[in-house]
Amino acid sequence: EAQVTQNPRYLITVTGKKLTVTCSQNMNHEYMSWYRQDPGLGLRQIYYSMNVEVTDKGDVPEGYKVSRKEKRNFPLILESPSPNQTSLYFCASSSAGYNEQFFGPGTRLTVL
Amino acid sequence: GQNIDQPTEMTATEGAIVQINCTYQTSGFNGLFWYQQHAGEAPTFLSYNVLDGLEEKGRFSSFLSRSKGYSYLLLKELQMKDSASYLCAVRLRPGGSYIPTFGRGTSLIVHP
Repeated sequence: EAQVTQNPRYLITVTGKKLTVTCSQNMNHEYMSWYRQDPGLGLRQIYYSMNVEVTDKGDVPEGYKVSRKEKRNFPLILESPSPNQTSLYFCASSSAGYNEQFFGPGTRLTVL
Repeated sequence: GQNIDQPTEMTATEGAIVQINCTYQTSGFNGLFWYQQHAGEAPTFLSYNVLDGLEEKGRFSSFLSRSKGYSYLLLKELQMKDSASYLCAVRLRPGGSYIPTFGRGTSLIVHP
């Protein structure tokens, strides 16, 4: 089944404790991206990648890192999480020659 | 720059027709998307417009006017399950990034 998976789905952590949210897609898509979604603000782009070893900042990259060492994986790293990073996070992927983005199920992160 | 505007909330009656507008002020426009998102779930793709005109897909239609920076999503024969958020997203930079930027979404409430 074609899908984008994210782990964990839910995470409660404390300020400053490094964490990684994994994202994996099995559709051989070139493009992958991370969004955060907050009430009243909609989906905001954090980072995106157009291919292996090619990443670029989105609209709200501060406090986040990403890597794209393999085509299928695009982890989101929070080196020192803070409470303002409490949010719902979505990973998405799409192919270079097609338009539709496929979204993962979301990761709800709470930073205390 | 980019500025994507859509109403925050709309209500409609089951069986009726509703039109959700989206206006954008962007440079390097290269296509507009509509996504549907039910509460707590991932967004799912509805439509994509890159040329002016109306695209019809079952009960849903999407319209684009590039000269006016305007799009709408038309939902016919509304059903209760259409209660959701509808996200307008614009893709920028022709030939460059294919990652769209999202508006804040319109929450549609369908009542009996």
